[in-house]
Amino acid sequence: AQSVTQLGSHVSVSEGALVLLRCNYSSSVPPYLFWYVQYPNQGLQLLLKYTSAATLVKGINGFEAEFKKSETSFHLTKPSAHMSDAAEYFCAVRTDSSYKLIFGSGTRLLVRP
Amino acid sequence: EPEVTQTPSHQVTQMGQEVILRCVPISNHLYFYWYRQILGQKVEFLVSFYNNEISEKSEIFDDQFSVERPDGSNFTLKIRSTKLEDSAMYFCASSDGPVGYTFGSGTRLTVV
Repeated sequence: AQSVTQLGSHVSVSEGALVLLRCNYSSSVPPYLFWYVQYPNQGLQLLLKYTSAATLVKGINGFEAEFKKSETSFHLTKPSAHMSDAAEYFCAVRTDSSYKLIFGSGTRLLVRP
Repeated sequence: EPEVTQTPSHQVTQMGQEVILRCVPISNHLYFYWYRQILGQKVEFLVSFYNNEISEKSEIFDDQFSVERPDGSNFTLKIRSTKLEDSAMYFCASSDGPVGYTFGSGTRLTVV
């Protein structure tokens, strides 16, 4: 069965600092992986997705993620945090059965002025 | 850019009442889903729908839940007799296949 694990339920960074949100996956087949962002009381917005093409995936708002098969990881990074990046971030893996997504438990990013 | 539309955005209902949550998926998508997010928790899969039938459902999706695609455009989730623990944000999503996923903005269901 496929799954994702997000390390750290809360991450706090200073404005302008590097953002690193961790996601590890478990999958017996090449995975399709996603990162979503959720702002308070809003829906899920796709940041980026890995579909077995380039291992470094660039997304919206300056975020990117690198697929590392040897580490079974798909960590999300942004070089310089902005106050508007404060939100909940979810990693997800697409399963082979019905193409449904399995979400991680989420990481809340706090950005300090 | 095409969107998945969900209505209503917020619904308050009394315990024991039936509710229907509505979704209009992207027109050329073939796969349809409902997910649930209890406040402060992660997003959980409820059900997937393909070729006019349920293709997979989770343990959460018990006999109180049902889905329909009544007219080829709408996709509905019905909860027959709501419980307090059904209070959550419900997301509809549609997909054209393996990776073309689009989520709606959600319906917040409050059961009182």
